[in-house]
Amino acid sequence: GDSVTQMEGPVTLSEEAFLTINCTYTATGYPSLFWYVQYPGEGLQLLLKATKADDKGSNKGFEATYRKETTSFHLEKGSVQVSDSAVYFCALRDRDDKIIFGKGTRLHILP
Amino acid sequence: DAGITQSPRYKITETGRQVTLMCHQTWSHSYMFWYRQDLGHGLRLIYYSAAADITDKGEVPDGYVVSRSKTENFPLTLESATRSQTSVYFCASSAAGLALPLGEQFFGPGTRLTVL
Repeated sequence: GDSVTQMEGPVTLSEEAFLTINCTYTATGYPSLFWYVQYPGEGLQLLLKATKADDKGSNKGFEATYRKETTSFHLEKGSVQVSDSAVYFCALRDRDDKIIFGKGTRLHILP
Repeated sequence: DAGITQSPRYKITETGRQVTLMCHQTWSHSYMFWYRQDLGHGLRLIYYSAAADITDKGEVPDGYVVSRSKTENFPLTLESATRSQTSVYFCASSAAGLALPLGEQFFGPGTRLTVL
């Protein structure tokens, strides 16, 4: 079945560092891809999405590009802030319209 | 309040008891979902519903029951709670239709359930 694999955390960075969280997927066809973020004590919220190959999703300084050839959707941000500390989930929408989530990557940003 | 709400936010119960977690959304979204979140597993889908009176199993449905008599409500019942059901439970909803970003789900704040 479809699946999402993302790098294990926790990832600890200093403020203003460059962030990459890797995500690869296995799926039939070309699914829509998402990054969700979960701040402490809250539910998940959609951060960005891409619906077809070469699409770039972006929001709040975060970006991810849908790479069909490498089946990847890596999340990047050029300069992280303490407020970016959260758990990040990569996900895809399968053919049955269900969302398949990765296991999540916890990000700690140190001031 | 607009949005998606869950109640209770925290619950402690004992093994063997029945527990119902409530979920309510005000958007009239067709789809609703129940997930559990556990360390090392991420989010796993328990049950989902495409519309009122239509429900289907997800990845980990055993020990859970759902119903959807009204579009806005999607309660999750643990018929006889077990310690392995200690988890954080999230409800989510999404709209159907080409005019909306398919697949985007809106999550409630979660219910932290502890089974002793």
